[in-house]
Amino acid sequence: AQSVTQLGSHVSVSEGALVLLRCNYSSSVPPYLFWYVQYPNQGLQLLLKYTTGATLVKGINGFEAEFKKSETSFHLTKPSAHMSDAAEYFCAVSDQGGGNKLTFGTGTQLKVEL
Amino acid sequence: EAGVAQSPRYKIIEKRQSVAFWCNPISGHATLYWYQQILGQGPKLLIQFQNNGVVDDSQLPKDRFSAERLKGVDSTLKIQPAKLEDSAVYLCASSFLTDTQYFGPGTRLTVL
Repeated sequence: AQSVTQLGSHVSVSEGALVLLRCNYSSSVPPYLFWYVQYPNQGLQLLLKYTTGATLVKGINGFEAEFKKSETSFHLTKPSAHMSDAAEYFCAVSDQGGGNKLTFGTGTQLKVEL
Repeated sequence: EAGVAQSPRYKIIEKRQSVAFWCNPISGHATLYWYQQILGQGPKLLIQFQNNGVVDDSQLPKDRFSAERLKGVDSTLKIQPAKLEDSAVYLCASSFLTDTQYFGPGTRLTVL
């Protein structure tokens, strides 16, 4: 069975500061990894995904994440936070070729302060 | 391109009543998913369709939940009878086979 652990249900940063949201996964097979963002009263929007190949993945809105197999991690970063980044972020994992079922973490609420 | 459409956006019902949610996926997407997102948790897959066949319904509480996808396009998720613990956001997503999933805005269900 696959699982995702997101450390820190709430993260607060100042505008312009580094954003780091942590995600660790458990999977018995090579995983596909995803970060989704959810704004209030909206569905989930894909930020970025890792399937195969380059382990540093760049996404929308200046976000990126690095797949580290040895650490079973897929942390999300952004060099400089903007007020519009305030939202809930979900890390998810699926099996490669496993029918595309996503298993989500419990989410991290990002707050950006002036 | 139009996104995933869901209706209604909000629904309030009494426990033991029934409720139905509707989803229209992105045109051409063969795979459709229903997720349940309870407050403070990540979405949990309830059921996955490919065209009009069920791929995975292992986490669907079949004694009260049902879903169908007639003609392989839009889908309906039904709860009968509803319980207090069914209060959640019900998200529909679609994908082109097993590619990236695109999510609709969700239906927020409150069971009183």
